[in-house]
Amino acid sequence: DGGITQSPKYLFRKEGQNVTLSCEQNLNHDAMYWYRQDPGQGLRLIYYSQIVNDFQKGDIAEGYSVSREKKESFPLTVTSAQKNPTAFYLCASSKDVLPGANVLTFGAGSRLTVL
Amino acid sequence: KQEVTQIPAALSVPEGENLVLNCSFTDSAIYNLQWFRQDPGKGLTSLLLIQSSQREQTSGRLNASLDKSSGRSTLYIAASQPGDSATYLCASHTLYNQGGKLIFGQGTELSVKP
Repeated sequence: DGGITQSPKYLFRKEGQNVTLSCEQNLNHDAMYWYRQDPGQGLRLIYYSQIVNDFQKGDIAEGYSVSREKKESFPLTVTSAQKNPTAFYLCASSKDVLPGANVLTFGAGSRLTVL
Repeated sequence: KQEVTQIPAALSVPEGENLVLNCSFTDSAIYNLQWFRQDPGKGLTSLLLIQSSQREQTSGRLNASLDKSSGRSTLYIAASQPGDSATYLCASHTLYNQGGKLIFGQGTELSVKP
């Protein structure tokens, strides 16, 4: 079955450490996204990528970095510069980023906790 | 800048009741509006997508409507069941969003009691 796989499901980080969240899709989607979800708030866009080797900042990109070396993969690194990284991180993909009938497919999420 | 609001933040109803979840948005220049379901600790599942030219979409017991002029969308759930308990989020895709970005509401947490 096609879908999006995020790993790990739970991750604990000490302050000052960088951590990388994995996102892999086998849907042959061109566009991929990273969202952050905090309690009582809607999802906020961190980064998105329309095509391999290209990505754009979203609303809250500071303290995060991404890469898109393969169509199937869009890893997110939470760096030590991110002051409040404890959150639920969601990866999504869509066939493309053109507006219209694009339905986003989401992964199951990764919960990051800073100790 | 588009803002999406969902009220109430939480709703509890007895099983079998018909219910309506509300979503309002400030910018009516939208391409589409989507409704998602999120179970605790899980990702989002797309329920319905309404294009800007459409008034409503239906899937089983779910019916979503869109009124761009008033900046409102509603999700109607008929004959609610305990399995419908989840958080429901709406998201708009506006004409001027960078790169297909969706703007999400905060969600309504629905609890259907047996």
